[in-house]
Amino acid sequence: EVQLVESGGGLVKPGGSLRLSCAASGFTFSDAWMSWVRQGPGKGLEWVGRIKSKGSGGTTDYAAPVKGRFTISRDDSKNTVHLQMNSLKIEDTAVYYCAWIVPATILHHWGQGTLVTVSS
Amino acid sequence: QTVVTQEASFSVSPGGTVTLTCGLSSGSVSTSYYPSWYQQTPGQAPRTLIHSTNTRSSGVPDRFSGSILGNKAALTITGAQADDESDYYCVLYMGSAWVFGGGTKLTVL
Repeated sequence: EVQLVESGGGLVKPGGSLRLSCAASGFTFSDAWMSWVRQGPGKGLEWVGRIKSKGSGGTTDYAAPVKGRFTISRDDSKNTVHLQMNSLKIEDTAVYYCAWIVPATILHHWGQGTLVTVSS
Repeated sequence: QTVVTQEASFSVSPGGTVTLTCGLSSGSVSTSYYPSWYQQTPGQAPRTLIHSTNTRSSGVPDRFSGSILGNKAALTITGAQADDESDYYCVLYMGSAWVFGGGTKLTVL
């Protein structure tokens, strides 16, 4: 069974940093492309970014609102993908979901999310 | 900037049929965008219903179907049930990014 479990959310001040993690199981993580999607309070879903498998180059892409501030990385030895968030803004407040991309175009399997609150 | 459009809200009677759409502010939606549809109830993670235009995800009832209608992707619910009352989101794959629609709040009454 595919499982994605996010962690690391919490309360952080504007300008601060936070690192989210997503632990994966039930599939061959090293071959997986992974993504992060967020949802602000009372708002819709917003794609954040993607990391390809190392076999596909391990490259990353980001949405415009987070480019230059957020970084996605992966640790295949721990079946984990991370989202490093720097220079956080109030508008980054959201539930952050990780998703397994299958095969390369579909955000198919989702975790339950972790809440990030940016507030002074 | 690419904007994906969805109806803000829709209402359907129990047992009725409803079609939600997913369009582009400029241009037509085609299968090349691999349109996907998600169902989300309050406090829950999105659930994948349909991907690649018309492929139902495992365990999704066959009353949910996807298609291209005109220049939009479409999600049709045939024989709506009370527990279909949810938010529905579409997403389009843009090659190196995904763009979500704003979501449709479906009421079953």
